[in-house]
Amino acid sequence: EDQVTQSPEALRLQEGESSSLNCSYTVSGLRGLFWYRQDPGKGPEFLFTLYSAGEEKEKERLKATLTKKESFLHITAPKPEDSATYLCAAEGPGTYKYIFGTGTRLKVLA
Amino acid sequence: DTEVTQTPKHLVMGMTNKKSLKCEQHMGHRAMYWYKQKAKKPPELMFVYSYEKLSINESVPSRFSPECPNSSLLNLHLHALQPEDSALYLCASSQGQGPDTQYFGPGTRLTVL
Repeated sequence: EDQVTQSPEALRLQEGESSSLNCSYTVSGLRGLFWYRQDPGKGPEFLFTLYSAGEEKEKERLKATLTKKESFLHITAPKPEDSATYLCAAEGPGTYKYIFGTGTRLKVLA
Repeated sequence: DTEVTQTPKHLVMGMTNKKSLKCEQHMGHRAMYWYKQKAKKPPELMFVYSYEKLSINESVPSRFSPECPNSSLLNLHLHALQPEDSALYLCASSQGQGPDTQYFGPGTRLTVL
């Protein structure tokens, strides 16, 4: 069965303390791996799409990487405004269906 | 512009009411989605419209009725809901050609009394 697992469930960082969030997937025929940020009570905000192993994408303090089994979201020198839930989702061969992980709730303390 | 809009932002309804949620996008996307999200859970797919035709129905109860009047608009008609249907309802859209990035709207917070 196709599955996406995120770890840790929750993470508290001091401002400036870099870390990584993990997204492990077992999806046959992966077509895309997506990262979103979600603030409480709001819709997910798109961050990155990764298509193939070895691919990397960056945006401000965030960098997403992809291997054949997992994806990482690296957060460099985070700020309190980076506090949010980070969701990853995988799209397999079935069109339109995302398999979501359960998310990592990140709290960055000033 | 990657904006998906949803109205209303908040909705409170009784179990006998009929109401509708609306979603709009002007990105030329041909796939549109409805998701339901409970607190601290990921979004759960409900329906997918592809080129204005219902493509996926994830065994959603008939008290939820989707409608896609044109390629830019998506509605979700609600009738005889239960308190457990209270959730954040999210609309998303994508180009309709995989692999496909979905762009989400801000959501409608629904409370069923």
